[in-house]
Amino acid sequence: GNSVTQMEGPVTLSEEAFLTINCTYTATGYPSLFWYVQYPGEGLQLLLKATKADDKGSNKGFEATYRKETTSFHLEKGSVQVSDSAVYFCALSDENFNKFYFGSGTKLNVKP
Amino acid sequence: DAGITQSPRHKVTETGTPVTLRCHQTENHRYMYWYRQDPGHGLRLIHYSYGVKDTDKGEVSDGYSVSRSKTEDFLLTLESATSSQTSVYFCAITGTGGYTEAFFGQGTRLTVV
Repeated sequence: GNSVTQMEGPVTLSEEAFLTINCTYTATGYPSLFWYVQYPGEGLQLLLKATKADDKGSNKGFEATYRKETTSFHLEKGSVQVSDSAVYFCALSDENFNKFYFGSGTKLNVKP
Repeated sequence: DAGITQSPRHKVTETGTPVTLRCHQTENHRYMYWYRQDPGHGLRLIHYSYGVKDTDKGEVSDGYSVSRSKTEDFLLTLESATSSQTSVYFCAITGTGGYTEAFFGQGTRLTVV
């Protein structure tokens, strides 16, 4: 079956530090991979996506590369800001985009 | 922003009462989903719909039912609310033909006392 595993939080960093949030997946076929971000009191927003192996998704300084050989989609940012404090979810969708599977979420706290 | 509206945004109800949450979309997307979000569990799929009157169960469907009589509306009903159904509920939509990502509503915070 399909599943997503991501590192547990919370992750606490100082402003301008390097961020990595690990995500690995199990899937049949050729899933698409996503990172979503949730700010307090809000719904989830798409941060970036990759639809095939070796694709790199990027947005707002965040990046993630679809690695089929390691079944991973780790989220990275070179220099985090206080405004990046949120919960980040890794997700995959099946080939038909009929169902989405989410990780448990990783809370990021960035201190000034 | 995708046009998804959830109502109500907040609700407190008593154990044993029926509750209906509504999701309304203006995007004409085919697929609609209901998730619940609980600490330590991320988002878990309750039910989803792949067309009018076409629905299927997700991983945590017990105690919930859904209906979709129009493309734009997807209702989630708790037939007899229990305290374990206290949660934040999110509706999501996806399309076809390149609309590959899911768009989420703002959520409904339900408290069962």
